[in-house]
Amino acid sequence: AQSVAQPEDQVNVAEGNPLTVKCTYSVSGNPYLFWYVQYPNRGLQFLLKYITGDNLVKGSYGFEAEFNKSQTSFHLKKPSALVSDSALYFCAVRGVSSASKIIFGSGTRLSIRP
Amino acid sequence: NAGVTQTPKFRVLKTGQSMTLLCAQDMNHEYMYWYRQDPGMGLRLIHYSVGEGTTAKGEVPDGYNVSRLKKQNFLLGLESAAPSQTSVYFCASSRTTQQTDTQYFGPGTRLTVL
Repeated sequence: AQSVAQPEDQVNVAEGNPLTVKCTYSVSGNPYLFWYVQYPNRGLQFLLKYITGDNLVKGSYGFEAEFNKSQTSFHLKKPSALVSDSALYFCAVRGVSSASKIIFGSGTRLSIRP
Repeated sequence: NAGVTQTPKFRVLKTGQSMTLLCAQDMNHEYMYWYRQDPGMGLRLIHYSVGEGTTAKGEVPDGYNVSRLKKQNFLLGLESAAPSQTSVYFCASSRTTQQTDTQYFGPGTRLTVL
């Protein structure tokens, strides 16, 4: 069975510092991996995804994520955090099988202090 | 282009009452989904639809029914609401069900069952 874990409920970072939001996954075969962001009282918005190829994926708002197959991880990163990055972040995984459904992690609340 | 819209935004029900949540998308997407979001649990798939007139069960379908009479609309029904159905409900759509496809989310409906 496939699963995804976000080990941190909350991450606190000072503005201007680099940030990392962690995600690990379990899936049979090759994974498709996604990051979504949810701002207060809004639906989820797509940030980026890994399908194949380059392990470093660049997405919206200056975010990037690194796929690490040996560690089964897909951590979200940004070199310099902004207060406006404060939101709830969800990692999601899907297998290559057509029967595989997308599974979301429990979410990590990112708080950027000025 | 409104994307994915949901009505109502908020609703309070008494145990045993029924209601229908409406989701509409104007992107001509084939696939539509209903999720519920509960604290610390991420998003869980309730039901989904792969096209007009077809629906299928997701991870947590009990107590819910759905219908997709028109391609642009996906309705979620609660026949007899229970306090355990207190949650935030999100509708999403995607162009295809290819494993790499991005889902687009509505703003959510916050439902409280007393």
